[in-house]
Amino acid sequence: ETGVTQTPRHLVMGMTNKKSLKCEQHLGHNAMYWYKQSAKKPLELMFVYNFKEQTENNSVPSRFSPECPNSSHLFLHLHTLQPEDSALYLCASSQGQGGFQPQHFGDGTRLSIL
Amino acid sequence: RKEVEQDPGPFNVPEGATVAFNCTYSNSASQSFFWYRQDCRKEPKLLMSVYSSGNEDGRFTAQLNRASQYISLLIRDSKLSDSATYLCVVNIYGQNFVFGPGTRLSVLP
Repeated sequence: ETGVTQTPRHLVMGMTNKKSLKCEQHLGHNAMYWYKQSAKKPLELMFVYNFKEQTENNSVPSRFSPECPNSSHLFLHLHTLQPEDSALYLCASSQGQGGFQPQHFGDGTRLSIL
Repeated sequence: RKEVEQDPGPFNVPEGATVAFNCTYSNSASQSFFWYRQDCRKEPKLLMSVYSSGNEDGRFTAQLNRASQYISLLIRDSKLSDSATYLCVVNIYGQNFVFGPGTRLSVLP
């Protein structure tokens, strides 16, 4: 059982579509993260929010737009994506940004761009 | 030099074998350390934290060597279900978690 829930689990979209990924954590954590993982590649950190404030944008293209309305919810808005954006998108949370407590991950959204 | 380095493997071992992985980190200010496992096309799952004195959880033992800046994971009596990629994670308080590229383990029948 994971305390971090991501929806949808799978998403197929065209390059001109607009969609959003949702992440919700039930662990009482203050920091939330978006990662991208392409096939057979390491995790790539995309965004970090700490107490609802964005503290990291790891040179992510503007076609990815994060939103963190509160400490429990995190969204990733997608528009005009490219085929190379097809990947597993993982949300994680932790008690603090880079604290002594580990991160916990959601199941991920597998995104395919047609 | 990369912040966190791991031998990508794959490590192919027979069932029942003992296998060990190392992970080196470059920043001596690193304070917290973790091992995660990631199954194919799934999310990383926390396996264990790594404490300064070393710690054990069943068949798994984690060690930290601050002087040489590496952590290790030892798996005894390997099971088929241990086949996965093992990710080393290093953190400095107040900064981001840094993931290693992972070491792939295949336990063979």
